[in-house]
Amino acid sequence: DQQVKQNSPSLSVQEGRISILNCDYTNSMFDYFLWYKKYPAEGPTFLISISSIKDKNEDGRFTVFLNKSAKHLSLHIVPSQPGDSAVYFCAASEEMGYKLSFGAGTTVTVRA
Amino acid sequence: DGGITQSPKYLFRKEGQNVTLSCEQNLNHDAMYWYRQDPGQGLRLIYYSQIVNDFQKGDIAEGYSVSREKKESFPLTVTSAQKNPTAFYLCASSINPGQVLIYGYTFGSGTRLTVV
Repeated sequence: DQQVKQNSPSLSVQEGRISILNCDYTNSMFDYFLWYKKYPAEGPTFLISISSIKDKNEDGRFTVFLNKSAKHLSLHIVPSQPGDSAVYFCAASEEMGYKLSFGAGTTVTVRA
Repeated sequence: DGGITQSPKYLFRKEGQNVTLSCEQNLNHDAMYWYRQDPGQGLRLIYYSQIVNDFQKGDIAEGYSVSREKKESFPLTVTSAQKNPTAFYLCASSINPGQVLIYGYTFGSGTRLTVV
């Protein structure tokens, strides 16, 4: 039973516009959330995280929003760049530093 | 440069054979993890280890075994009992729990295992 769900398998966006990636979770015990970016045949790389005590965290072009009551988080990328074309995974954990549960990923394609 | 090295990148195995995937890190991280990725699915946790000589089963441990004799190394053995071993395997490590939200997990580049 997948506890972290990314319901949009793909997203296409024009260069310079905003990319919005969504993630839903079912486990109310999740307190820590991370986003990863993955290129083909490579391991995922960490992008940004948020804990449940916050509802927003920003790092440069990346902002993560958390709505605990809705069990929903989103990643905004502004502005989108060609190098952002990759698979993005949402991940969650009940305890800091311990095992992460991952969503199935969303493939982002940034069009020139 | 510090990082995680997984070898080999591609591995072919005959049905009924055991095979061991290597994972080495020089980041001085305490915790290490093995994940499996199948097409259209997220990463699923196979085993994890928080300290040397200790490890716990993840969500899909059946048909796999691990060892953690050294801090730097966390090899994964895919046994003949694993019914669908063809997948992309990722090893990861993490610094102390208090800093995971800052640095996340560090992943290796993966091993693609194919059973022929």
